[in-house]
Amino acid sequence: DAKTTQPPSMDCAEGRAANLPCNHSTISGNEYVYWYRQIHSQGPQYIIHGLKNNETNEMASLIITEDRKSSTLILPHATLRDTAVYYCIVRAVGETSGSRLTFGEGTQLTVNP
Amino acid sequence: NAGVTQTPKFRILKIGQSMTLQCAQDMNHNYMYWYRQDPGMGLKLIYYSVGAGITDKGEVPNGYNVSRSTTEYFPLRLELAAPSQTSVYFCASSLRGDGGNYGYTFGSGTRLTVV
Repeated sequence: DAKTTQPPSMDCAEGRAANLPCNHSTISGNEYVYWYRQIHSQGPQYIIHGLKNNETNEMASLIITEDRKSSTLILPHATLRDTAVYYCIVRAVGETSGSRLTFGEGTQLTVNP
Repeated sequence: NAGVTQTPKFRILKIGQSMTLQCAQDMNHNYMYWYRQDPGMGLKLIYYSVGAGITDKGEVPNGYNVSRSTTEYFPLRLELAAPSQTSVYFCASSLRGDGGNYGYTFGSGTRLTVV
């Protein structure tokens, strides 16, 4: 799986958009970009994933650059409850016997009042 | 749906003791996983299973054993507890190996301290 690079920490004001970047310059054509978050002391929570088109759901938007070497997770109106560690993960599509997610260090997002 | 249920939530073990961390899911997911998370670190995969009767090692399997006799249950066994196994343990499941449209579902974790 391709390696990802994320900033260790970011701050955001409550009510503003939080833009979390992720670099994955060695991503392969069959690899998706997944985002999870982990609120303190809880299990990780799936947010969104995408291949090459921008994606949006009720939680967030995912913007993937045209060359697919980087992406940005956007929380449009951050709240205090969005304070968490956000993980960007690159994973090949399809089911294989070795399928599993590899979590790196992630970005600690702190939403300030 | 309860999702992924882990028990116990907290446990203190003495060095050399054994215990089983329980994990159950009611979503009929084929894939199940055990991760550990040390303080301030990311998650590391211990073992995973792609279906009943099939298990395989992850990144850090030493000191652990698993079994998967049914789709619903995936217990993790610690035979001789060591201080290095002090960690938070998360169980997860998924319908597809790549997570599919709903990703992986995680349990709330078991906080284990070995003294």
